[in-house]
Amino acid sequence: TQLLEQSPQFLSIQEGENLTVYCNSSSVFSSLQWYRQEPGEGPVLLVTVVTGGEVKKLKRLTFQFGDARKDSSLHITAAQPGDTGLYLCAGHMATSGSRLTFGEGTQLTVNP
Amino acid sequence: EAGVVQSPRYKIIEKKQPVAFWCNPISGHNTLYWYRQNLGQGPELLIRYENEEAVDDSQLPKDRFSAERLKGVDSTLKIQPAELGDSAVYLCASSPRLAGVTDTQYFGPGTRLTVL
Repeated sequence: TQLLEQSPQFLSIQEGENLTVYCNSSSVFSSLQWYRQEPGEGPVLLVTVVTGGEVKKLKRLTFQFGDARKDSSLHITAAQPGDTGLYLCAGHMATSGSRLTFGEGTQLTVNP
Repeated sequence: EAGVVQSPRYKIIEKKQPVAFWCNPISGHNTLYWYRQNLGQGPELLIRYENEEAVDDSQLPKDRFSAERLKGVDSTLKIQPAELGDSAVYLCASSPRLAGVTDTQYFGPGTRLTVL
């Protein structure tokens, strides 16, 4: 059983479309992070959210942490081909201290 | 500033052979992590070092995996003997200080291991 469930697992859209990726758990997290990983590279941190209900924006990307700190979403507006990649959510569980637990990822492809 | 350096980038070996991966973290980073990433999955922590000390190795398969970080800088992860199921990307990451829940982990490009 995956501690962090991401959906959808795969997403293929056209340039200019909007999309939302979800990260859900039955556990409470002290913080939650979103990473993007491109082929042949390691994950790169996009954002960290720590407060329930927190919303952060990074250009066309909007990240939200659920009120109960059990879920998060990533919304991309007007997707571009450069947004293509594997999006990973990762969290520090309230009970596991510093260990970072990753979801399985959402593979996003944005077609020109 | 140089990022996390890993070598080799690719390794192909026969099963039952030994293999080693090397990682040099970002200068000044006290915390070092080794992760394994299977195809289509997120990374899974194998071991975390705070300076020279392995503080979280509960997910390291100790019958065949070993790791060291002798001087608190670079690190080596070894598998002996390798099995077919060890085929994966092995990622190294580092963070600036003793790991906290909001710290940024900086990942290297990984070593892609194929066991035949």
